Amino acid sequence: EAQVTQNPRYLITVTGKKLTVTCSQNMNHEYMSWYRQDPGLGLRQIYYSMNVEVTDKGDVPEGYKVSRKEKRNFPLILESPSPNQTSLYFCASSSVGPGGSYEQYFGPGTRLTVT
Amino acid sequence: AQKVTQAQTEISVVEKEDVTLDCVYETRDTTYYLFWYKQPPSGELVFLIRRNSFDEQNEISGRYSWNFQKSTSSFNFTITASQVVDSAVYFCALTPGDDMRFGAGTRLTVKP
Repeated sequence: EAQVTQNPRYLITVTGKKLTVTCSQNMNHEYMSWYRQDPGLGLRQIYYSMNVEVTDKGDVPEGYKVSRKEKRNFPLILESPSPNQTSLYFCASSSVGPGGSYEQYFGPGTRLTVT
Repeated sequence: AQKVTQAQTEISVVEKEDVTLDCVYETRDTTYYLFWYKQPPSGELVFLIRRNSFDEQNEISGRYSWNFQKSTSSFNFTITASQVVDSAVYFCALTPGDDMRFGAGTRLTVKP
């Protein structure tokens, strides 16, 4: 089954404790991306990657890191989480054609609480 | 700058009513793509439609239809004869191909 998986689905942590949210897709998609969803703000892009070893900042990259060492994986790293990073996080992937990116397939979301 | 505005924060209708969700976008690019996604109460994001900037034909898919007007930078979404299962948050999104911008979303509630 074609899918994007994220782990963990729920996480409660404390300020400053480094954490990683994993994202994996099995569709051989070139494009992967991370978003955060906050009430009233919709989804905001954190980082995206057009292909292996190619990453770029989205709208709200501060406080986050990513890496794309393999095509299927795109982990999101919070080196020193703060309470304002409490949010619902989505990973997504899509294929990229000559005309641009196609529809994104989203993971189930990770609800992160930083106390 | 890329920007998507969904001015309607919440809409409530009674079943069988038609409803239109507005989406206005800003971009300097001449080539771009517009999307609509649905987020039902269960939380997943479901792709509805993708439209490129060179294709201004309206599209209909069952009870759903989309009106793309480049002259007004709008990409509105209409649900005809709404049903309770249409209750969800709907997001409009814009991309020139790399980064993606979403609107804040419109929460649609369809009452029986």
